[in-house]
Amino acid sequence: RKEVEQDPGPFNVPEGATVAFNCTYSNSASQSFFWYRQDCRKEPKLLMSVYSSGNEDGRFTAQLNRASQYISLLIRDSKLSDSATYLCVVNERISSGSARQLTFGSGTQLTVLP
Amino acid sequence: EPEVTQTPSHQVTQMGQEVILRCVPISNHLYFYWYRQILGQKVEFLVSFYNNEISEKSEIFDDQFSVERPDGSNFTLKIRSTKLEDSAMYFCASSEYFLNTEAFFGQGTRLTVV
Repeated sequence: RKEVEQDPGPFNVPEGATVAFNCTYSNSASQSFFWYRQDCRKEPKLLMSVYSSGNEDGRFTAQLNRASQYISLLIRDSKLSDSATYLCVVNERISSGSARQLTFGSGTQLTVLP
Repeated sequence: EPEVTQTPSHQVTQMGQEVILRCVPISNHLYFYWYRQILGQKVEFLVSFYNNEISEKSEIFDDQFSVERPDGSNFTLKIRSTKLEDSAMYFCASSEYFLNTEAFFGQGTRLTVV
């Protein structure tokens, strides 16, 4: 069974803190990786794609280690508005054909405290 | 900004009744998906759809479920005879390509089976 595993959380951090989330995936054939955020009872929204070289978008940095099948997300200078559930998502081919699906981790809840 | 839209936002139905959930994907997207999220649980893949046919489906997507693209814009999920355990948030998503691309989610339809 293919799985995407995340830190269970919850993470409660003060404003301005740096927080890191980790994720591992079991399907070595996975080809693309994402971090989504989900606010309570809302749809998942793409935060950023994750590339092997690592990528940064403002306060957010994502890293991918294919050898270890490990993905990370770092949030610097956290804001109250960063409070959400962060979902690690893997786009994987699940059969011999071209069909793909997004497999979601269970998410890590972040609460940024004033 | 283009977005995926879903209707209705909330549907209450009696057990055994048929429901149709509707989605309008982003217009230039070619790949369409349905996901569901039972309250407090992870987002789960149901089905992917491309070129007017199902590309892949999960174990959840049994004979009670069907999808259709009746015209050039709508994408529907039908549940023939709802069960209590079908109560969940159902998300439609679409993507432009199926390789290494992110999916954009609609705001969801909350289905409550009573």
